[in-house]
Amino acid sequence: GAGVSQSPSNKVTEKGKDVELRCDPISGHTALYWYRQRLGQGLEFLIYFQGNSAPDKSGLPSDRFSAERTGESVSTLTIQRTQQEDSAVYLCASSPSTYEQYFGPGTRLTVT
Amino acid sequence: AQTVTQSQPEMSVQEAETVTLSCTYDTSESDYYLFWYKQPPSRQMILVIRQEAYKQQNATENRFSVNFQKAAKSFSLKISDSQLGDAAMYFCAYRNRDDKIIFGKGTRLHILP
Repeated sequence: GAGVSQSPSNKVTEKGKDVELRCDPISGHTALYWYRQRLGQGLEFLIYFQGNSAPDKSGLPSDRFSAERTGESVSTLTIQRTQQEDSAVYLCASSPSTYEQYFGPGTRLTVT
Repeated sequence: AQTVTQSQPEMSVQEAETVTLSCTYDTSESDYYLFWYKQPPSRQMILVIRQEAYKQQNATENRFSVNFQKAAKSFSLKISDSQLGDAAMYFCAYRNRDDKIIFGKGTRLHILP
């Protein structure tokens, strides 16, 4: 079956512009996660959705970052007024309850 | 809050040899899951092995095995008969009872031919 998909695969934007990153999880997976990975670094937790519960937003670095998820389907991560420090790979993962995560290929964001 | 620590930023091993990557974690929970993920240069995260905390037996997947020491909160990964394709970043991860998953900072593994 289809895995987790993310779009776009690469995004170059000018400083100050808004960007939207999309994640399509595996069908039936109740949990969805967003992570940020700067070059050569580990995964930084951003936000987590689990079913219809309120999302865990504890990892969002500033109020410029927000995310939405429609039910148990698509999620969008929005970064407003992008800064050069936002340049990173943004990884999405989905998971059935209690099992491992399945990761998408990531979106590489470059802010110029 | 739970934390995951990987104390070895980089390691090297000769092809066909055995290498152990360390991971420690901090938690007050008794029921949780632990994982090792591999991230090759393609950046696609791949699950290597999973361990349920309630299981005393160490998980094994072909050349990959773990040494899970619950009391010590240690979860090391052993790779036997290292192959060139094992070169990657390896991340240790902890999943709590609320399904939140926390990653360590990773260990970059080099395989020397």
